[in-house]
Amino acid sequence: DVKVTQSSRYLVKRTGEKVFLECVQDMDHENMFWYRQDPGLGLRLIYFSYDVKMKEKGDIPEGYSVSREKKERFSLILESASTNQTSMYLCATDRDRTSSGGYTFGSGTRLTVV
Amino acid sequence: GNSVTQMEGPVTLSEEAFLTINCTYTATGYPSLFWYVQYPGEGLQLLLKATKADDKGSNKGFEATYRKETTSFHLEKGSVQVSDSAVYFCALGKAAGNKLTFGGGTRVLVKP
Repeated sequence: DVKVTQSSRYLVKRTGEKVFLECVQDMDHENMFWYRQDPGLGLRLIYFSYDVKMKEKGDIPEGYSVSREKKERFSLILESASTNQTSMYLCATDRDRTSSGGYTFGSGTRLTVV
Repeated sequence: GNSVTQMEGPVTLSEEAFLTINCTYTATGYPSLFWYVQYPGEGLQLLLKATKADDKGSNKGFEATYRKETTSFHLEKGSVQVSDSAVYFCALGKAAGNKLTFGGGTRVLVKP
C-alpha cells in the first residue's frame, strides 16, 4: 500500500512564525498536493507539484509556499503564520498525470495558530 | 470550471437504515468520479470510483453509478452500521491530468 506520512498530527504555532508542514510518500508517485480542510468549505487546493522542483498554484496559494527538492517529499511553508491559517492540512499523492485512480491521502496535520 | 455539489449534512440514521448521499457535478468533457470517506481524526480514503458513463463503483456495501444524463454520482448503502459514521466527499477529476475537485462533504451519523 502507498503510504503518505505527514510529520505531525497536531501543531500549535504563534502568529508570525514560519511553519513547515512535511509530507513524505513511499511509492514513487509523481504528483503531490496540499489541501486545507475547513468546516463548511470542504477541501481547497493550495499548491501541487507534478515533478521534482516543480510547483503550481492551486485555488488558495496566498500566504503559502512549497518546496519539492526530492520526489518523495513535498513541504508546505507558511511564511508568516496567521490565525486564519488555523486549519486541517491534508497532503495527497497520485501516480502521474495519466492516472485516473484517485488520490492517496495522509492522515492530516491539524494546525492551530495562536 | 469544474464543480461538485453534494447534500449538506449532517445526515442522522439508525443502524440498518438505507443511506443515500446526493452528488451532482458540472464539468467539461468526461471526468472520473470518486467518493472518499473520512473517519474521525483521519485523512480521506478512496471509497469507490467510476471512470465513464454508466459505470458502477462499489466497495464495502456502498455503490454509486455514473449518470452522465443527470450529471450525478449518488452514493448508496442498503444497510448502514455505526462504523459507517464519517464524512463523505464526492469528487471529480479529468480523465488525464488529475487535479480533483471536491464537494463540501456530508457528515453521516449512524446511531445504534
